[in-house]
Amino acid sequence: EDQVTQSPEALRLQEGESSSLNCSYTVSGLRGLFWYRQDPGKGPEFLFTLYSAGEEKEKERLKATLTKKESFLHITAPKPEDSATYLCAVHPLVFGKGTRLSVIA
Amino acid sequence: GAGVSQSPRYKVTKRGQDVTLRCDPISSHATLYWYQQALGQGPEFLTYFNYEAQPDKSGLPSDRFSAERPEGSISTLTIQRTEQRDSAMYRCASSLSTSGGQFFGPGTRLTVL
Repeated sequence: EDQVTQSPEALRLQEGESSSLNCSYTVSGLRGLFWYRQDPGKGPEFLFTLYSAGEEKEKERLKATLTKKESFLHITAPKPEDSATYLCAVHPLVFGKGTRLSVIA
Repeated sequence: GAGVSQSPRYKVTKRGQDVTLRCDPISSHATLYWYQQALGQGPEFLTYFNYEAQPDKSGLPSDRFSAERPEGSISTLTIQRTEQRDSAMYRCASSLSTSGGQFFGPGTRLTVL
């Protein structure tokens, strides 16, 4: 059974304090690992797709990386507007519970 | 359309009633998904469509739940004989293909009294 585990559950950062979110996965055959951002009361917003180990994608202050067993979402010099829940999913069908990120000015 | 739309945004119903939720995906998207999302949790897969075909409905909680996409565009999710445990946010998403990132609608908040 495909599984996705995200850690930490919640993360509080000072503005400018870089950090990483983790997504560990178990899947019979990886057909894509997806990162989403979800703001309160809204649907998830697609960020990245990674397909193979070693692949990296970047968007503004976010950088996603992939290994054979986990993915990291690195946040460089975060701003308060980066505060959201970040969700990881394998293929499209199995989501993790998310990491709630709070960035304090 | 410009994005995924869902209707109604909120639905309150009494236990035992049937409800139908609607999803209008991005027009060029072949694949459409339905999820259930509890507060503080990630979306949980219910079913998906490739055009009209429904390859996987393994996430539907019971036979009271059914979904259709008869013309490969708009989809409906129907819950028969609703129960209080069906209360949740129901989200629809669409993508160009099953290997692509999904674009989510705003969701329908269902409350069963």
